[in-house]
Amino acid sequence: EVQLVQSGGGLSQPGGSLSLSCAASGSRISDTYMTWVRQAPGKGLEWVSMTYTGGNTVYADSVKGRFTVSRDTSKDTLFLQMNSLRAEDTAVYYCARDRGYSLPIWGQGTMVTVSS
Amino acid sequence: QSALTQPPSASGSPGQSVTISCTGTSSDIGGYNYVSWYQQHPGKAPKLMIYEVTKRPSGVPDRFSASKSGNTASLTVSGLQTEDEADYYCSSYGGSNNLVFGGGTKLTVL
Repeated sequence: EVQLVQSGGGLSQPGGSLSLSCAASGSRISDTYMTWVRQAPGKGLEWVSMTYTGGNTVYADSVKGRFTVSRDTSKDTLFLQMNSLRAEDTAVYYCARDRGYSLPIWGQGTMVTVSS
Repeated sequence: QSALTQPPSASGSPGQSVTISCTGTSSDIGGYNYVSWYQQHPGKAPKLMIYEVTKRPSGVPDRFSASKSGNTASLTVSGLQTEDEADYYCSSYGGSNNLVFGGGTKLTVL
């Protein structure tokens, strides 16, 4: 069974940094696209990034230049490095396995709070 | 990329059918057959219910069906059950190596 287990997140002041991890079991992250999606409290889903099998990543305009996705294929783990955090980045962040622009497998989500 | 447009709420009685719409543009829904629908219960991660406009993943009841016409996609839930009460989100490939989501529809089973 394919599973995604997330860790990281927490509280940051505006302008600070946080890192999230997404560890895959039962599948190789290099064999599939991987996507990050976030959900602000009480709000809808927002696409954040998509990482292709080769490792290239595309980002939403709202995070471009501030967020960076990397991966450790030996550990089947995806990372989201978030810098220059803003209050509007406060959200639950989900990693998901992307299959043909649909997301059949999701992590459990991790909360990121940006507040002074 | 603008979000897809969904009604904020929908409702139906047990056993009835309800349809949720999702309107985009020719640059997303109308341009590609990559429309998905997700169900999200409070405090839980979203669950894929429909992909590629009409396809159901294994394990999703056939009470859930979907279609697309032009720039609008629709999700129909037939034979409503209490456990269907949840938020539903549509998404589409946005044509610029991105995904775009709808604002979500809260389905209430009366």
